[in-house]
Parts: sequence; structure tokens; C-alpha cells
Amino acid sequence: GQNIDQPTEMTATEGAIVQINCTYQTSGFNGLFWYQQHAGEAPTFLSYNVLDGLEEKGRFSSFLSRSKGYSYLLLKELQMKDSASYLCAVMDSNYQLIWGAGTKLIIKP
Amino acid sequence: IAGITQAPTSQILAAGRRMTLRCTQDMRHNAMYWYRQDLGLGLRLIHYSNTAGTTGKGEVPDGYSVSRANTDDFPLTLASAVPSQTSVYFCASREATGADTQYFGPGTRLTVL
Repeated sequence: GQNIDQPTEMTATEGAIVQINCTYQTSGFNGLFWYQQHAGEAPTFLSYNVLDGLEEKGRFSSFLSRSKGYSYLLLKELQMKDSASYLCAVMDSNYQLIWGAGTKLIIKP
Repeated sequence: IAGITQAPTSQILAAGRRMTLRCTQDMRHNAMYWYRQDLGLGLRLIHYSNTAGTTGKGEVPDGYSVSRANTDDFPLTLASAVPSQTSVYFCASREATGADTQYFGPGTRLTVL
């Protein structure tokens, strides 16, 4: 079957670094997406990885290991506005997104 | 501003009533999607359309129907609403030229009593 796992909730301190992990088992792989979703709002695109390695975009970086079925989202210099849910999604062989349940990130001052 | 609009923003509905959620995009995207999002379960695909004139069933299609008469519009209909259909509904679209990004509408919060 298809499965995507990520922690339900994480807590971090303003100014610190946090890593949100995602493991997956899917039928086919056309890339892995990370989205951010603030409470009461729609998901918004953060990053896309299809090759192994690290993609850096400002304070956010995303890593992929296809052989391990593993990705992480790294958030640096945390700000209060980073308090949100972070959704991991894998695009399968039919170009459909398979979604994890999301990780709620709580930032404390 | 280009993007996806959904209507209504929220709705309270009596069980047994028929309801259509509207979704319109102006990005000329080929593919469109309807998801529901429930606490702790993440986004679940209800129906999708890869191009105008075609539709397909997702993970949780029962009780819902869709149509795709043109590129821009993708309405979702609940023929006879039940309380288990209480959820937040998101419409999304993507260009569908490969492994491209899905963009989401603002969502519709539906409560069925």
C-alpha cells in the first residue's frame, strides 16, 4: 500500500533550527513536495525534490533520499510566523499527490 | 489576481440537502482536484479531472460527484448530504505538463447537521 509518515507535532524555539522528517512508501515516484498550511488557510507550496540531495531556498531547505524513502524539511532562524502545519506529499506514477497527515509546528518565544 | 476561487467560504447544511461547491481557476490549468481535509487525516482526494471533459475517482468519492464542462470550472456536488461530510473542502489545480505544483483555493468549510 501507499503510506507517508511524519510526526504529528513538534515544538521549537524562536531563532532555532528544526528538522521535520517524512518517510514514504508509494507506487511510483515523480517527486516529493512540501507545503505549509497556516491554521484556517489553504496549503501553499514550499519545495519540490525529485533527485537525491539538498535543495535550499532561503531559510528553508529540503532533502531527499530516494533509496531510503526519506525526506526532511529544515527550517532555520525560526520566526513566530513559521508556526503552521507542514505537509509532505509524494507524486505517484499517475502524477497524483499522496499526502501525509501533516506536522504541526509550534514556535515558542 | 490569477488563482483559484471557491464558493461559498462556509456553509451550514441540513442532512439530506443537495449542495454544490464551486471552484474556478483562471490559470488555464489542465488538471483540477477536490480534496477534503479532516483533523488528523490530512488531505484526501475525492475526485479529479486531468483535462476538460474527463473526471476520475479519488480515494473517497462516495456521496460526491463532479463535472468538468470547461477548463476553468470544476464544481463538486453532494447529492444528499450526511453529517460525515462535515469537513473543509479544498479545490486545487496544476498545469499538468509533468511533475508540476498543485495550487490550492482558499477552501470551503462545510457543516452538515
